[in-house]
Amino acid sequence: AQSVTQLGSHVSVSEGALVLLRCNYSSSVPPYLFWYVQYPNQGLQLLLKYTTGATLVKGINGFEAEFKKSETSFHLTKPSAHMSDAAEYFCAAKLQGGSEKLVFGKGTKLTVNP
Amino acid sequence: KAGVTQTPRYLIKTRGQQVTLSCSPISGHRSVSWYQQTPGQGLQFLFEYFSETQRNKGNFPGRFSGRQFSNSRSEMNVSTLELGDSALYLCASSTTSGSIEQFFGPGTRLTVL
Repeated sequence: AQSVTQLGSHVSVSEGALVLLRCNYSSSVPPYLFWYVQYPNQGLQLLLKYTTGATLVKGINGFEAEFKKSETSFHLTKPSAHMSDAAEYFCAAKLQGGSEKLVFGKGTKLTVNP
Repeated sequence: KAGVTQTPRYLIKTRGQQVTLSCSPISGHRSVSWYQQTPGQGLQFLFEYFSETQRNKGNFPGRFSGRQFSNSRSEMNVSTLELGDSALYLCASSTTSGSIEQFFGPGTRLTVL
């Protein structure tokens, strides 16, 4: 069965520092991969997605992620954290050609310190 | 284009009651999926509807049900509410079943007392 693991339920960085949020997937076939952000009392907003092609994917708000098949990883990075990046981040996977079902990681809460 | 709307945004019920939540997808989107988000279990898939038919179902008891109307609006119903049903219920829409990308609504926060 497909699963998504996010390493670290809480990550704290200083403003201006590198943000690195880790995501690994477990699937016999590389799935579509997504990163979503959730602000308090709001729904999920798509940051970026990997389907096929270029393995380095750029998203909104300066975030990017790299798909590494050999490591079954899809880590999210941002070179310089901003206070407004404080939120919860979810990695998700969806089988290619499968149903609508997204399988989510448990989420990583990002704190940005001034 | 308006996004996914969910009503109501907040709901308080007592154990044993039933509840109906509504989701209006983005105009032109025909697939609606529902997810439950709790601190303990995270985000879990409930079901997906496309063209008024349930296409997929997650691992939830039969107390959780849903339907979709001809205008693609969807409702989900939870009967005989339990304390553990307290959660944020998120609806997501996509153009068709099997689409790559889903667009999420703001959610309905259900509290069961």
